[in-house]
Amino acid sequence: SQQGEEDPQALSIQEGENATMNCSYKTSINNLQWYRQNSGRGLVHLILIRSNEREKHSGRLRVTLDTSKKSSSLLITASRAADTASYFCATTGGGADGLTFGKGTHLIIQP
Amino acid sequence: SAVISQKPSRDICQRGTSLTIQCQVDSQVTMMFWYRQQPGQSLTLIATANQGSEATYESGFVIDKFPISRPNLTFSTLTVSNMSPEDSSIYLCSTSATNTGELFFGEGSRLTVL
Repeated sequence: SQQGEEDPQALSIQEGENATMNCSYKTSINNLQWYRQNSGRGLVHLILIRSNEREKHSGRLRVTLDTSKKSSSLLITASRAADTASYFCATTGGGADGLTFGKGTHLIIQP
Repeated sequence: SAVISQKPSRDICQRGTSLTIQCQVDSQVTMMFWYRQQPGQSLTLIATANQGSEATYESGFVIDKFPISRPNLTFSTLTVSNMSPEDSSIYLCSTSATNTGELFFGEGSRLTVL
């Protein structure tokens, strides 16, 4: 079964607005990662946050992690049309194991 | 980082046939992963392939249906055997950055079974 559950499943906003996506998971993790997938192509790694971190920034991306609630959020500020994609959270229990992916949020940025 | 090339990028196949997907990495890597993404769905791990040993399959996936080869540290293949329309998916190859756990993905192979 899937480890992560993203919400919303789909999100449509105007260009320039901020987009927030949430992810919940069920078991203990070593880290949580966010990936982007454009139109059914390969996934691109966006950001990784470790279990002992609470917030992390990378450019227009801000990720938070609340291990007590087993949840994470991804904020994209000042959205652009090129941000239109599906976003997935993924978790690992450690080591170099394959990740377990959530169901994803499909983000549409309206020009 | 790792650059991963997959082929074919897409194919249309007939029911009952088999297709082999190739995955080439531009550097030597220990572990390679094969994922399936069914239409509109998330990624599901099929198996983990280490060089020199048999692949480790996740629950719901078996070697007879998805045989995997890993002949060296830069290459792997996944075969989808005796295909049915339910096998229509994107199949993705990936490998990890061992110090972070970040995954690098190929562009995927989109398979349609008629």
